[in-house]
Amino acid sequence: GAGVSQTPSNKVTEKGKYVELRCDPISGHTALYWYRQSLGQGPEFLIYFQGTGAADDSGLPNDRFFAVRPEGSVSTLKIQRTERGDSAVYLCASSLLGRVGTGELFFGEGSRLTVL
Amino acid sequence: GESVGLHLPTLSVQEGDNSIINCAYSNSASDYFIWYKQESGKGPQFIIDIRSNMDKRQGQRVTVLLNKTVKHLSLQIAATQPGDSAVYFCAEILSNAGGTSYGKLTFGQGTILTVHP
Repeated sequence: GAGVSQTPSNKVTEKGKYVELRCDPISGHTALYWYRQSLGQGPEFLIYFQGTGAADDSGLPNDRFFAVRPEGSVSTLKIQRTERGDSAVYLCASSLLGRVGTGELFFGEGSRLTVL
Repeated sequence: GESVGLHLPTLSVQEGDNSIINCAYSNSASDYFIWYKQESGKGPQFIIDIRSNMDKRQGQRVTVLLNKTVKHLSLQIAATQPGDSAVYFCAEILSNAGGTSYGKLTFGQGTILTVHP
């Protein structure tokens, strides 16, 4: 498709399990971002990739969270030993270049994670 | 820490009226602001943006006003339609030393706009 694609759209898991969330950005977009959105809140920045490298991972809450983008396109957000507080919608966004000021971020529809 | 916040969590208007959604920001160094619309079950959708060296910018049916003196941002929607019903977020970016703004946005909590036919 033409937009940012995220899978799964919904994921229910048990506390302590490992989870992977996938993001397929718009073709040709070099910049990719992960955000987390809790109910009733605005999205919170997690990590930013420029190409294959994480240019800014300052938003990752702790070392249970990790993200990769090995070929500079698809990215996977990995959460180890999930906790109930990890329940949220995880949003992925991409932009043509890193410079948001010349355009905008395109967001996917998100992956809703529920940790029981 | 510094954050972006909204004055009104909900706004109800009649179809055809003009809507004004407000946002207060606290980081005076932020130099780029964006308004997003988010419908239920979807990701945020870009509406309009403005740089800190401007005080007004117009798009199609939307206008963003920036008042740096009081650190206030507003989104005006003309002739509001039922399809405008959504949550609206303002977001800010602080450019790096080179003047480039990348997508590390700080979002506010959101305003729910409901448009009645």
